[in-house]
Amino acid sequence: QVQLKESGPGLVQPSETLSLTCTVSGFSLTSYSVSWVRQPSGKGPEWMGRMWYDGDTAYNSALKSRLSISRDTSKNQVFLKMNSLQTDDTGTYYCTRDPELGAGDYWGQGVMVTVSS
Amino acid sequence: DIVLTQSPALAVSLGQRATISCRASQSVSISRYNLMHWYQQKPGQQPKLLIYRASNLASGIPARFSGSGSGTDFTLTINPVQADDIATYYCQQSRESPPWTFGGGTKLELK
Repeated sequence: QVQLKESGPGLVQPSETLSLTCTVSGFSLTSYSVSWVRQPSGKGPEWMGRMWYDGDTAYNSALKSRLSISRDTSKNQVFLKMNSLQTDDTGTYYCTRDPELGAGDYWGQGVMVTVSS
Repeated sequence: DIVLTQSPALAVSLGQRATISCRASQSVSISRYNLMHWYQQKPGQQPKLLIYRASNLASGIPARFSGSGSGTDFTLTINPVQADDIATYYCQQSRESPPWTFGGGTKLELK
């Protein structure tokens, strides 16, 4: 069945770089796009960016200067890297499958990231 | 970016109808496609897709959930409300992409 699972450090120092991995199963990254979405505690989600099925990428303009999304199709993994982290980057980070509905039909369980010294 | 506005909370009795609204700052419809989607999120869980493209029920979602609307005004209806439906509901648009944008959420509470 379709599954996505995020992994990465739970604590990041201010000004450091966040690196997250989304490992997928049950579908191919060359057939489906994957988006990253984050959510501060108690607030609505924020779409960060997308790895298209054809390898192209798209980013939220508010984060574009700090964000990079890549993939390794042989390992069924999508990567997120975001630099210059600040405390307001604290939240839960999700990856979600984007089957061209314009919506995420399957979501990972999320990984909680805290930016703090 | 397209801004989506939702009321923060709605109180409803079990067995009654709940109507949750979402208003977009500009039209999210293209041709016959209404690019508004709805999610349910319970505390400590990831969002779950309920409705896509305004009125299409996602896989495995009970028929008591329905969606309607076009242009800038959209509605998620739950009828009848069950105890398991107590959660926060978010609308999300994909008319302008990037980026998707989400509403601030409506917390469904018991009256």
